[in-house]
Amino acid sequence: AQSVTQPDARVTVSEGASLQLRCKYSYSGTPYLFWYVQYPRQGLQLLLKYYSGDPVVQGVNGFEAEFSKSNSSFHLRKASVHWSDSAVYFCVLSSIASSSFSKLVFGQGTSLSVVP
Amino acid sequence: AQTIHQWPVAEIKAVGSPLSLGCTIKGKSSPNLYWYWQATGGTLQQLFYSITVGQVESVVQLNLSASRPKDDQFILSTEKLLLSHSGFYLCAWSRDNSGNTLYFGEGSRLIVV
Repeated sequence: AQSVTQPDARVTVSEGASLQLRCKYSYSGTPYLFWYVQYPRQGLQLLLKYYSGDPVVQGVNGFEAEFSKSNSSFHLRKASVHWSDSAVYFCVLSSIASSSFSKLVFGQGTSLSVVP
Repeated sequence: AQTIHQWPVAEIKAVGSPLSLGCTIKGKSSPNLYWYWQATGGTLQQLFYSITVGQVESVVQLNLSASRPKDDQFILSTEKLLLSHSGFYLCAWSRDNSGNTLYFGEGSRLIVV
């Protein structure tokens, strides 16, 4: 069975500090992995995605994520956070071309608060 | 460029009343369409998906139904709302069913009282 675990429900960091949001997945095949961000009372926006190739993928607004098959992880990072990064971040797993049509598995989300 | 629009933005409805939420995608022919539900402070749960007009598949049973009357339109509805239907409903589209990127609408917030 596929699953996604975001172990940190809430993370608080100071503005200008570095950030890492953790994501662990469980899937026997080769996964598609995504990070989405949800600002208050809004829909989800794609930050970045990993299909294959270079395990470090760059996204929007200075975010990057590193895929590790050995650790079954896809952690999100940013070198210096801004107050506007405060939002909920979702790690998402998708199976590749399976018979289960476009089945996405969402993590529980990590709520990020950036404080002065 | 493709755009996705959901309506209404928010609703407060009584238990037992009917509901209809809509979603329209412009700029993309034959998109794959999805409905997701998000409880307050929770994660997203896929409700329905559709790959073509008139064809809708249910993922979970929540006493809701969905229809795709046009290529660019996806409707979520029920004849009788339950308190448990409260939450945030998100419509999304993708280009194909090979795990490709989902593009979400702004969502519709529903409060059932």
